[in-house]
Amino acid sequence: KAGVTQTPRYLIKTRGQQVTLSCSPISGHRSVSWYQQTPGQGLQFLFEYFSETQRNKGNFPGRFSGRQFSNSRSEMNVSTLELGDSALYLCASKEVAGVRFTDTQYFGPGTRLTVL
Amino acid sequence: QKEVEQNSGPLSVPEGAIASLNCTYSDRGSQSFFWYRQYSGKSPELIMFIYSNGDKEDGRFTAQLNKASQYVSLLIRDSQPSDSATYLCAASNTNAGKSTFGDGTTLTVKP
Repeated sequence: KAGVTQTPRYLIKTRGQQVTLSCSPISGHRSVSWYQQTPGQGLQFLFEYFSETQRNKGNFPGRFSGRQFSNSRSEMNVSTLELGDSALYLCASKEVAGVRFTDTQYFGPGTRLTVL
Repeated sequence: QKEVEQNSGPLSVPEGAIASLNCTYSDRGSQSFFWYRQYSGKSPELIMFIYSNGDKEDGRFTAQLNKASQYVSLLIRDSQPSDSATYLCAASNTNAGKSTFGDGTTLTVKP
């Protein structure tokens, strides 16, 4: 199976702009989670989507939003970018069997966002 | 206090030695525990997961779980320079739908 894919891999934006990142999960995986990773804060959970619905949300401001499509692909949007949003944004997918969520997450390669 | 704490490192071991990485967690509802390896500039890669108390071995890697002590460890036997990376510990509470990661321990294996 192909792994988790993320596009774009690198992005440079300026303060105040907005950005949309895309994630395609492993085939058959219906849960997609997004994480922000910075040297100072480590890996921080943003949100998780399942069946086009946000299942869980971390402690990030409303500028960070996401959505999931019927094919399980997910997008993450950050509006009004700030310098502190510079980070590696990781998407992870996991399998859902019926109503049972497995715990094992597989990460994509990430999108490196630089805000100038 | 962070929900998942890892020894801050960095940890340096000679090639061929055993590297021991430790992790403690505070959420007693956590049922599954994971170790990821992350090379610089890359994304985390799953190494092992463990659900039950005791040891789980996979090649040169052994994960150990002690739920009573809320402690997870990863042993890497016969360490190789290619094992040099940051190792992330994660605890997952399926009922709460939450996975929490530690800040990672950076391991350097010196030839």
